[in-house]
Amino acid sequence: DSGVTQTPKHLITATGQRVTLRCSPRSGDLSVYWYQQSLDQGLQFLIQYYNGEERAKGNILERFSAQQFPDLHSELNLSSLELGDSALYFCASSVESFGGGRYNEQFFGPGTRLTVL
Amino acid sequence: KNEVEQSPQNLTAQEGEFITINCSYSVGISALHWLQQHPGGGIVSLFMLSSGKKKHGRLIATINIQEKHSSLHITASHPRDSAVYICAVSKWGGSQGNLIFGKGTKLSVKP
Repeated sequence: DSGVTQTPKHLITATGQRVTLRCSPRSGDLSVYWYQQSLDQGLQFLIQYYNGEERAKGNILERFSAQQFPDLHSELNLSSLELGDSALYFCASSVESFGGGRYNEQFFGPGTRLTVL
Repeated sequence: KNEVEQSPQNLTAQEGEFITINCSYSVGISALHWLQQHPGGGIVSLFMLSSGKKKHGRLIATINIQEKHSSLHITASHPRDSAVYICAVSKWGGSQGNLIFGKGTKLSVKP
């Protein structure tokens, strides 16, 4: 158990709908990262938050958005869903973001499997 | 060409064999990660390294920054080591979360 929790575990929805994925980082971790894993693209970095602020953006679609709340949990919102959005969505957390050249191990949550029908 | 390449793509071994998975990258990096993804989908971080060698139990990870190459070794392999092993790098100067992933090596260890 990594200490990172994600809900829900599975989500089945229809095209055009909107869903929210939730992530609670390990106690004390300020950074949260979202990744998407699809069959054709593999693992891709979506976005990172550090202590409530957006820190870095990857291949995140405009239809997707995220935020990190004062209690440090994070939500990933996916809207106008398409069939191609079906994937595993992982959240990870680490102690701190990039600072002084020091990088920290990331701890991954169990993932949310999204199926868009 | 992908910035992170792994080989082999698939690997089948007999229990007890010594296993090596390779990762080559073409960008400047601050750190390299080895991840393990279980058949159920969960991802575990095995190592994060920026130089030299790290060991944890039967797992050893090495990196050669000059050659832009890393290897993951598993000694005395066991069926429970069956998983997908993924190499990922943090680009130099970028956010540590902005990982670039290899496509993974699927390892199957037969009893």
